[in-house]
Amino acid sequence: QVQLVQSGAEVKKPGASVKVSCKASGYTFSSYYMHWVRQAPGQGLEWMGTIDPSGHNTIYAQNFQGRVTVTRDTSTSTVYMELSSLRSEDTAVYYCASENTTTGAFDIWGQGTMVTVSS
Amino acid sequence: QSALTQPPSASGSPGQSVTISCTGTSSDVGGYNYVSWYQQHPGKVPKLMIYEVSKRPSGVPDRFSGSKSGNTASLTVSGLQAEDEADYYCTSYAGSNNPYVFGTGTKVTVL
Repeated sequence: QVQLVQSGAEVKKPGASVKVSCKASGYTFSSYYMHWVRQAPGQGLEWMGTIDPSGHNTIYAQNFQGRVTVTRDTSTSTVYMELSSLRSEDTAVYYCASENTTTGAFDIWGQGTMVTVSS
Repeated sequence: QSALTQPPSASGSPGQSVTISCTGTSSDVGGYNYVSWYQQHPGKVPKLMIYEVSKRPSGVPDRFSGSKSGNTASLTVSGLQAEDEADYYCTSYAGSNNPYVFGTGTKVTVL
């Protein structure tokens, strides 16, 4: 079945980095743009960035420029999101999502990974 | 890139209709027909409800409909049911430099 399975919850100290993985199965991962979206506790959804099917091109939201890196490994159908210089405001659930190339919509989502930043 | 503007809350009784607005600019909502709507129940993953302004994915009830006029998109839920109580987010394509922006979210309450 079509699914995205993310890595488990993380607890990090301020200033550290976190790397979250998202493994696809049940569809042709290599054909799709992948995105990362986060949601702070009690807050709305925030788009973070995307990577193209080739893995060579990324675009990041201005709010995360310089701190986020999205990569993908086609051999393992996995996309990664690394966020550096963590601060308490980065405490959130991080979701990966697959973009339908025809509709531009995020039609497959991972289950979410909780990242807690605390000293 | 600023978030798209949605009302914080909306409500209706079972069987009634509720409409949620999503206001952007000519650089996002007004410039492209790539507006999507997502439903999110508490503690759950967002679910795609509408794409390309007004199209429904397979399995989404036809009680959900979308439209757009100028820089404002709308989601209408007709015949409200208890399970429609959730948060709803719009998103729009916003060009190749900063492709996507989400709305601020609307909590729909079924009275």
